[in-house]
Amino acid sequence: AQSVTQLDSHVSVSEGTPVLLRCNYSSSYSPSLFWYVQHPNKGLQLLLKYTSAATLVKGINGFEAEFKKSETSFHLTKPSAHMSDAAEYFCVVSGYSGGYQKVTFGTGTKLQVIP
Amino acid sequence: DSGVTQTPKHLITATGQRVTLRCSPRSGDLSVYWYQQSLDQGLQFLIQYYNGEERAKGNILERFSAQQFPDLHSELNLSSLELGDSALYFCASSAGLAAYNEQFFGPGTRLTVL
Repeated sequence: AQSVTQLDSHVSVSEGTPVLLRCNYSSSYSPSLFWYVQHPNKGLQLLLKYTSAATLVKGINGFEAEFKKSETSFHLTKPSAHMSDAAEYFCVVSGYSGGYQKVTFGTGTKLQVIP
Repeated sequence: DSGVTQTPKHLITATGQRVTLRCSPRSGDLSVYWYQQSLDQGLQFLIQYYNGEERAKGNILERFSAQQFPDLHSELNLSSLELGDSALYFCASSAGLAAYNEQFFGPGTRLTVL
């Protein structure tokens, strides 16, 4: 079985403060994990991905995520939030089930950045 | 620009009607995915095609169908439309079936059913 849980539906931070968006996953095998960002009325854009190489993954726009197998987590962080980071973020797990690729999206976390 | 194109950008139609949404994947990508995004349901996976064959089905209604053509473009057909079908429909493509292949999303088609 495969699932992904985004622990917060909304996160609000002040501009210039750190961002933490939490994601936990469940998988019967070694999955690939992704974070996507969606700005209002736009398509999703890949921020970063983990594919069993380095556990600390750096992405675009200063974001990074750490894969922690023992905690089954893949939290997204950024040291200093910008106004342009306000968007919805999706954690995604990808693996195989019954020989078929299975991709599961989280329910999303809306990030608000306060000036 | 992801390289995935979707047409039309906006579609307004009436209940009971049928519409077709079109997607062209990134050059070289063999896999196409369709998603529905609405305020109440969030982002829902509908269906996946790989090189012309259906590979996975999600929460796709029987009134909806899709296909992928030999040139790899895909169409999503929605029939007997209901008010609740109003949503943003996304197409995404990826290189293949490997779990590590990321998806590239198109800009979406906004469907409004009146």
